[in-house]
Amino acid sequence: QVQLQESGPGLVKPSETLSLTCTVSGDSISDYYWSWIRQPPGKGLEWVAYIYYSGTTNYNPSLKSRVTISLDTSKNQFSLKLTSVTAADTAVYYCARVRFSGAFDMWGQGTMVSVSS
Amino acid sequence: QSVLTQPPSVSGAPGQRVTISCTGSSSNIGAGYDVNWYQQLPGTVPKLLIYGNTNRPSGVPDRFSGSKSGTSASLAITGLQADDEADYYCQSYDSRLGGLYVFGTGTKVTVL
Repeated sequence: QVQLQESGPGLVKPSETLSLTCTVSGDSISDYYWSWIRQPPGKGLEWVAYIYYSGTTNYNPSLKSRVTISLDTSKNQFSLKLTSVTAADTAVYYCARVRFSGAFDMWGQGTMVSVSS
Repeated sequence: QSVLTQPPSVSGAPGQRVTISCTGSSSNIGAGYDVNWYQQLPGTVPKLLIYGNTNRPSGVPDRFSGSKSGTSASLAITGLQADDEADYYCQSYDSRLGGLYVFGTGTKVTVL
């Protein structure tokens, strides 16, 4: 059974870079598209980015200038970097697998990232 | 930034049927892109409920059903139960700005 687990700092200072990693177990990262989704406290879901093992990526236009998604097949991991963070980037960040119909069928437990000095 | 609009809340008594609408536009639902639905119980991870407009993943009760027409989609919950109380989100793909996945604004379902 596939499992996803996010890891990374829970606190990032304003203007710095947020870095998160998602470790995938029980499945090959080369077989699917993988995505990051975030949810600010008390608010809705926002798609951030996706990546395919071939290197294909796509980013939310509202974040595109600050976001990079990458993948390490040797470690079965994919990562997110978000630069120049502000308090508006405070959220629970989820990693997820993209399957049929562009649906996110498997999710990590989520990791809360707060942006504060 | 949500381009898919849902009612903020719906409610119903146990056993009743409720529906949640998801209104999009010609660049997402109306363009033929599939709609998916998620249930997020309080304090938990979103769970895929419906994919490809009408399909249920294994383990999702048939009390949940999805439909799509034109630029809108709907999620119906029949035989409402107390543990259906949660936030529900629709999701699709939008072809603008190079293409992006979009979520609905979310609907809180309250069981009276």
